[in-house]
Amino acid sequence: IAGITQAPTSQILAAGRRMTLRCTQDMRHNAMYWYRQDLGLGLRLIHYSNTAGTTGKGEVPDGYSVSRANTDDFPLTLASAVPSQTSVYFCASSGEGSSTEAFFGQGTRLTVV
Amino acid sequence: GQNIDQPTEMTATEGAIVQINCTYQTSGFNGLFWYQQHAGEAPTFLSYNVLDGLEEKGRFSSFLSRSKGYSYLLLKELQMKDSASYLCAVMDSNYQLIWGAGTKLIIKP
Repeated sequence: IAGITQAPTSQILAAGRRMTLRCTQDMRHNAMYWYRQDLGLGLRLIHYSNTAGTTGKGEVPDGYSVSRANTDDFPLTLASAVPSQTSVYFCASSGEGSSTEAFFGQGTRLTVV
Repeated sequence: GQNIDQPTEMTATEGAIVQINCTYQTSGFNGLFWYQQHAGEAPTFLSYNVLDGLEEKGRFSSFLSRSKGYSYLLLKELQMKDSASYLCAVMDSNYQLIWGAGTKLIIKP
């Protein structure tokens, strides 16, 4: 693993089903984030974690949950998918300090039908 | 509310110079980032400004005026590979990034 990895890269999901998007980083970054990106809109923060064992809600948290059991992994779960959750999801991580850039995974394209 | 504004789309010619503007209104300010995102790919970091002035990095420069809530990204000697979306993001008082919708830059030969 080099950097930050997401799985799957794409998925078609039936509405009402449960789905977990995986995210793993090997940079030992404390902070991790989940964003969704929709056409015409900026990246919107779903949930974040400043360090292992803690999580927080972002701008659009409803319908999503996260956990941070360790430094490397930050899975995002959709408990019961709805079509409005069709989007591209990006996981990101960053190190210490406000000037530290965020590194992004390659994204998961999710379609809820 | 918090707001980041940037043009939706711009077109420029290979070899030319283009300036992409970004204006922001946020709760506090802890720096402004520019990212590049090629279609179907993840955003990648270009620049960071926290003090007023110009930061130069090769063909790319970024400018910040905190009093005006304004930044621009300047791309010189444009190449076809510079065709991408350019995302402006501001870190607010809670150290969260607020993102603009991005500017799609089209480079023509």
